[in-house]
Amino acid sequence: GESVGLHLPTLSVQEGDNSIINCAYSNSASDYFIWYKQESGKGPQFIIDIRSNMDKRQGQRVTVLLNKTVKHLSLQIAATQPGDSAVYFCAETTDYKLSFGAGTTVTVRA
Amino acid sequence: DARVTQTPRHKVTEMGQEVTMRCQPILGHNTVFWYRQTMMQGLELLAYFRNRAPLDDSGMPKDRFSAEMPDATLATLKIQPSEPRDSAVYFCASGTDTGELFFGEGSRLTVL
Repeated sequence: GESVGLHLPTLSVQEGDNSIINCAYSNSASDYFIWYKQESGKGPQFIIDIRSNMDKRQGQRVTVLLNKTVKHLSLQIAATQPGDSAVYFCAETTDYKLSFGAGTTVTVRA
Repeated sequence: DARVTQTPRHKVTEMGQEVTMRCQPILGHNTVFWYRQTMMQGLELLAYFRNRAPLDDSGMPKDRFSAEMPDATLATLKIQPSEPRDSAVYFCASGTDTGELFFGEGSRLTVL
């Protein structure tokens, strides 16, 4: 499944499929980007980050891609699991200030 | 296991009352942020500190909100007087200059 972040704030994905969550950021001077996951009733939790001198970074089951030319960030989740159901936020940092996007709600179907 | 601690977790108060939310950042972290989360506005940055100095509080209504760091182990966010539109979840987060932010569990405020 795939979302376009701010324009499609929900994503429904079949368990086991790959998920792609997209995010457009606004400030070309931003030099550090983070994806956060927020489960109901909890604070945002760090997933993965990437600095502006990179275009790809991989973690465990997650990959972040950064395209500075079009100011676009994406989060790919491999083999999506029920525990991945949450709201996902992209965030950009400029001068220590972390600003969040609107968030995408991911629902995993069994 | 180091974590950001926020109190209270839940607060219900009446319009006009003073509300103080507290945050204990992770030991050794030098940046502290206050965010407000609502369904309509998402996560809004209210204020942030670096090495206890306020860097930016432009997101905060100055007439009623104030944020301080009396020492490195305590950050406070005060609302006086509170209004129903202040109802939200308030998050504190701490971090370092080069790393990720760690969030607390939030303080859910309801102003009647």
